[in-house]
Amino acid sequence: KNEVEQSPQNLTAQEGEFITINCSYSVGISALHWLQQHPGGGIVSLFMLSSGKKKHGRLIATINIQEKHSSLHITASHPRDSAVYICAVSEGTGNQFYFGTGTSLTVIP
Amino acid sequence: KAGVTQTPRYLIKTRGQQVTLSCSPISGHRSVSWYQQTPGQGLQFLFEYFSETQRNKGNFPGRFSGRQFSNSRSEMNVSTLELGDSALYLCASSFASGGSQRSFGPGTRLTVL
Repeated sequence: KNEVEQSPQNLTAQEGEFITINCSYSVGISALHWLQQHPGGGIVSLFMLSSGKKKHGRLIATINIQEKHSSLHITASHPRDSAVYICAVSEGTGNQFYFGTGTSLTVIP
Repeated sequence: KAGVTQTPRYLIKTRGQQVTLSCSPISGHRSVSWYQQTPGQGLQFLFEYFSETQRNKGNFPGRFSGRQFSNSRSEMNVSTLELGDSALYLCASSFASGGSQRSFGPGTRLTVL
């Protein structure tokens, strides 16, 4: 049983395209995290959200608590956005931390 | 402000040995959490420490242990290494435990031969 499901698993886009990555979860959460991992392993925390919507530059993250669903949007995608995007949730009181399997994004110039 | 640092960055061990990995959090962060990443299982949560106390623990055998010192630095120990322990081990720090936003270190890549 996967507590966090992401889709799509792989995504190829042309530079400039609008991209959406989806995340669904099955547990009660205190927060949802979107992470970015580049080749070589380094992970950057993009967003932490527990309700509504957050925006940072060309990145937008939304969450619907009732539907247990979150989306990460990238507007005007660029080759430097190529990375693995990982959704993770802190369960309830934060006693567990679950990860999705990641979405591998490739943006072609 | 310096980021999260992990030492060593690379490590090669043989089966049956033990290993200790170190993580220094961002100054002022009191929570340190550890994760294992493998190609087969992806990212998995190991445990989290806050103020020298283990707050949360993932589903790993007792061979995996950790501790946190009064300066918030943390160590992770794996005893009786198995081939399947080969992985990237990441630590992250945050102000508080639980659902706080984390800052990740670069990881320690452990290879068990």
